[in-house]
Amino acid sequence: KAGVTQTPRYLIKTRGQQVTLSCSPISGHRSVSWYQQTPGQGLQFLFEYFSETQRNKGNFPGRFSGRQFSNSRSEMNVSTLELGDSALYLCASSFNENSPLHFGNGTRLTVT
Amino acid sequence: GIQVEQSPPDLILQEGANSTLRCNFSDSVNNLQWFHQNPWGQLINLFYIPSGTKQNGRLSATTVATERYSLLYISSSQTTDSGVYFCAPPGAGSYQLTFGKGTKLSVIP
Repeated sequence: KAGVTQTPRYLIKTRGQQVTLSCSPISGHRSVSWYQQTPGQGLQFLFEYFSETQRNKGNFPGRFSGRQFSNSRSEMNVSTLELGDSALYLCASSFNENSPLHFGNGTRLTVT
Repeated sequence: GIQVEQSPPDLILQEGANSTLRCNFSDSVNNLQWFHQNPWGQLINLFYIPSGTKQNGRLSATTVATERYSLLYISSSQTTDSGVYFCAPPGAGSYQLTFGKGTKLSVIP
């Protein structure tokens, strides 16, 4: 069974641009979550989707958004990039709330 | 929200040594997960443990939900065990995990 797949692996953007990250969950998993990891703040929850509906959102500005498609694939978008958005963005999928969370390899975003 | 505290923050071990990592959390939870992040950034799920003890090879984890802590045991450590270990109970939403700051483990030959 293929794991969680995230693309691209690396991205370099400049301030003010926008970016879209993609995530394909493990086959059969309907829940997809996104996390941001930085050296200063650690791992922080961004949002979670289940059956195309956002069920939880973390404490991030509205510039961070996401969506989930009918095939459970998910995308997250960050608009008007700031230097502080430089981070490792991790996507995770789970079968249900009583099962383990499995992470992808992440997308490392650098904003210059 | 729930607070998660992990100790020790850093640990250096000689290859072959055993170790215990601790995770304290502020609220009662009905499950907790342990992860290992390797030096390349990959985050691997080690255990999903509602309560009690689970074992997987040289690793085992125990969660005592009533006392709000979990322990991760690593026996006969290997250099490939190096990395950061995170515990993560669920936060406000069932699928929202709250991560501790982690324990950085370095295993030297």
